[in-house]
Amino acid sequence: GAVVSQHPSWVICKSGTSVKIECRSLDFQATTMFWYRQFPKQSLMLMATSNEGSKATYEQGVEKDKFLINHASLTLSTLTVTSAHPEDSSFYICSASGTAIYNEQFFGPGTRLTVL
Amino acid sequence: QKEVEQDPGPLSVPEGAIVSLNCTYSNSAFQYFMWYRQYSRKGPELLMYTYSSGNKEDGRFTAQVDKSSKYISLFIRDSQPSDSATYLCAIFGNQFYFGTGTSLTVIP
Repeated sequence: GAVVSQHPSWVICKSGTSVKIECRSLDFQATTMFWYRQFPKQSLMLMATSNEGSKATYEQGVEKDKFLINHASLTLSTLTVTSAHPEDSSFYICSASGTAIYNEQFFGPGTRLTVL
Repeated sequence: QKEVEQDPGPLSVPEGAIVSLNCTYSNSAFQYFMWYRQYSRKGPELLMYTYSSGNKEDGRFTAQVDKSSKYISLFIRDSQPSDSATYLCAIFGNQFYFGTGTSLTVIP
């Protein structure tokens, strides 16, 4: 199957700082990338959907100015958590979808963010 | 009504048991059906996908789709402790919809 990587896998930062998380599709072109947030023992919560070269579409309740998403190429999307606070601590997972027939989503391994 | 409904469990079974995981969906136009497995603190990994009604088998895993009932299932035969994870169903119509996930524990 297709491979999606995320970097970093774990990040700890101070409150008020910004953190950038990268999501890369390694062996296919991702026309669409998704960003999810997951709290312990809960399911995935879709934050936003981004298509290469266009602005991301955010889900209701997700602050666009706080969670900046850039999808500059067909293999890279970034999520920047701006002015992070402890309540932003979570597991952030990206996924990518190409033009495969079955429209599968391939998930990255996730990034655990801890804001002190 | 949610697009996809999944019993969150948790589900606990002895090693070797047959496990049945299920989801229902609301829109008969949905076409692609997927099952993901997620280990603790890891991203979900795609287990199986199906397009049409019927069964699809891959080793100990069988995915079943009943479009008339809008019901999808994942069966795990001869369950192993390594199968302990959360299983998410996902459906693609014009966008992706995920179930809430079912937590499975296989007891040795």
